[in-house]
Amino acid sequence: SQQGEEDPQALSIQEGENATMNCSYKTSINNLQWYRQNSGRGLVHLILIRSNEREKHSGRLRVTLDTSKKSSSLLITASRAADTASYFCATDVGNTPLVFGKGTRLSVIA
Amino acid sequence: NAGVMQNPRHLVRRRGQEARLRCSPMKGHSHVYWYRQLPEEGLKFMVYLQKENIIDESGMPKERFSAEFPKEGPSILRIQQVVRGDSAAYFCASSPRDIYGYTFGSGTRLTVV
Repeated sequence: SQQGEEDPQALSIQEGENATMNCSYKTSINNLQWYRQNSGRGLVHLILIRSNEREKHSGRLRVTLDTSKKSSSLLITASRAADTASYFCATDVGNTPLVFGKGTRLSVIA
Repeated sequence: NAGVMQNPRHLVRRRGQEARLRCSPMKGHSHVYWYRQLPEEGLKFMVYLQKENIIDESGMPKERFSAEFPKEGPSILRIQQVVRGDSAAYFCASSPRDIYGYTFGSGTRLTVV
């Protein structure tokens, strides 16, 4: 079945550095979405990028999508301790619920 | 707008009991999704419902699990005769249509003792 796989599984950086997480998927998609989950909480929708888009920005977030490689990346610039969380990509192939990967656990050290 | 409301936040059940998890979607959202999450894992899809209809239940075990989204009231995920392996966090999400990002609730953490 369709699935996004995030890479790396875990990432630890210093405050102020940039964090890059990648997501690979298997089949054609309508859109790809990134979510964030703080420990013990629900997921929060961060950004949606459609299959005909290549790059999208939202504040300190930058998402790219390469449909030829079936991959996406999430860049968080100038990271803060409050960015510590798990980040998930989810793929939408249309007419089916979103399929989530296992996530990247980001730790930002102050 | 209160967002997606799930209750209870924590639920403890003994083996063999029933667990009922409730989810009230955001106002105006007619699509409800239930996911299960084990520690250090991603979310596994269980069931997708619209008002009074189950659209996709391919991720839900055939036995002991059921879900509904009545015309009035919250969506209910029901687990009968719970076993230790049912211990997990159960998340509900809603969307206005099936092509938008989801809004998630804070989850119900089920512990089976």
